Amino acid sequence: DTGVSQNPRHKITKRGQNVTFRCDPISEHNRLYWYRQTLGQGPEFLTYFQNEAQLEKSRLLSDRFSAERPKGSFSTLEIQRTEQGDSAMYLCASSPRGAGGPGNQYFGPGTRLLVL
Amino acid sequence: ELKVEQNPLFLSMQEGKNYTIYCNYSTTSDRLYWYRQDPGKSLESLFVLLSNGAVKQEGRLMASLDTKARLSTLHITAAVHDLSATYFCAASATSGTYKYIFGTGTRLKVLA
Repeated sequence: DTGVSQNPRHKITKRGQNVTFRCDPISEHNRLYWYRQTLGQGPEFLTYFQNEAQLEKSRLLSDRFSAERPKGSFSTLEIQRTEQGDSAMYLCASSPRGAGGPGNQYFGPGTRLLVL
Repeated sequence: ELKVEQNPLFLSMQEGKNYTIYCNYSTTSDRLYWYRQDPGKSLESLFVLLSNGAVKQEGRLMASLDTKARLSTLHITAAVHDLSATYFCAASATSGTYKYIFGTGTRLKVLA
């Protein structure tokens, strides 16, 4: 396994359409994160999974956003009724099982979303 | 809530010079991470600092952590052009969350 993969790498959509992104983490990593990054800013936390359980979700995440990790392996992030403000890079990261709190994260290449 | 601030936001420096990027965080955190991001690319992990006084070095980069001052530094020694990138620090709260909070980044440009 060479790292975290994300698909698609780029997505252009029209306002109001739904989009879904996929993340495949490093196989032995049980922790998975989604972030959003806009130009000139640091990644902004969206949600966190430990195995298949979604344990934390940002208050900034509107009801239009939903994420799943059905079998504790890959994850999907869906945005419904996209808005132009959703245009950003969506990053997925995974980290290994470990004692205590968060471990080091390994980031995927990201999905760049443009909403027209 | 945990907040992370970096300074400077932009840094233009000559090759061969030394400089330090600062990362301050607002509440107790026992884990501090540094990442590098090249334009249009994803984030690459540089350092993980897990305890007060931790110091790690890789090539021309050295990172340190002072949990009492809530401060981490990334020191660049004898900069070279290849170090041009955006550098982010991130912290996580000590308990109750797995969330990482990132700073806004320091955009470094090393001039030949």
